[in-house]
Amino acid sequence: DAGVIQSPRHEVTEMGQEVTLRCKPISGHDYLFWYRQTMMRGLELLIYFNNNVPIDDSGMPEDRFSAKMPNASFSTLKIQPSEPRDSAVYFCASSFGGAGTEAFFGQGTRLTVV
Amino acid sequence: DAKTTQPPSMDCAEGRAANLPCNHSTISGNEYVYWYRQIHSQGPQYIIHGLKNNETNEMASLIITEDRKSSTLILPHATLRDTAVYYCIVRLDDKIIFGKGTRLHILP
Repeated sequence: DAGVIQSPRHEVTEMGQEVTLRCKPISGHDYLFWYRQTMMRGLELLIYFNNNVPIDDSGMPEDRFSAKMPNASFSTLKIQPSEPRDSAVYFCASSFGGAGTEAFFGQGTRLTVV
Repeated sequence: DAKTTQPPSMDCAEGRAANLPCNHSTISGNEYVYWYRQIHSQGPQYIIHGLKNNETNEMASLIITEDRKSSTLILPHATLRDTAVYYCIVRLDDKIIFGKGTRLHILP
């Protein structure tokens, strides 16, 4: 398996633009997690899905952020409109099962909003 | 919030065992202890996890105290490639919550 695949690897956009980050989890995995990492705040859990259903989105910073998982092999994280403070590395992870199992992370998308 | 306490940084000589401590004094009986590491600019990498017993795999060993209030991750023969931030995580439900971790420097 190729692991968790995220795209794009790098994104530079202007303030106010819509940004869509993509994630393909490992085939057969039923959990998907979105994280954001900054120097100031470290790794933050934004939202996670189980069987394509959002379970906990309490980490989503505000209404400008939305995440979807239309099927078991694809998820998106959208920011609209983007702001400079959204600049961060965004990671996607997937696992087969919850507690007691290991989660595999993608290589991340580095987002820069200018 | 993360339920663990780790030293912010540690040094270890190359070829020696690296012992990374973690305190989780409020852990409950069915919470797992997980360790991940993050090498610069990469996604976090799973290392090992355990519930009550000590665990060993090809990467490391996990020693959990009998009262489960603390644990130690052991990298038996540290190399320069083990330089990373190591995260100790207590996991009850499905969420994986990261703290600040320990920045491990391997010295040549």
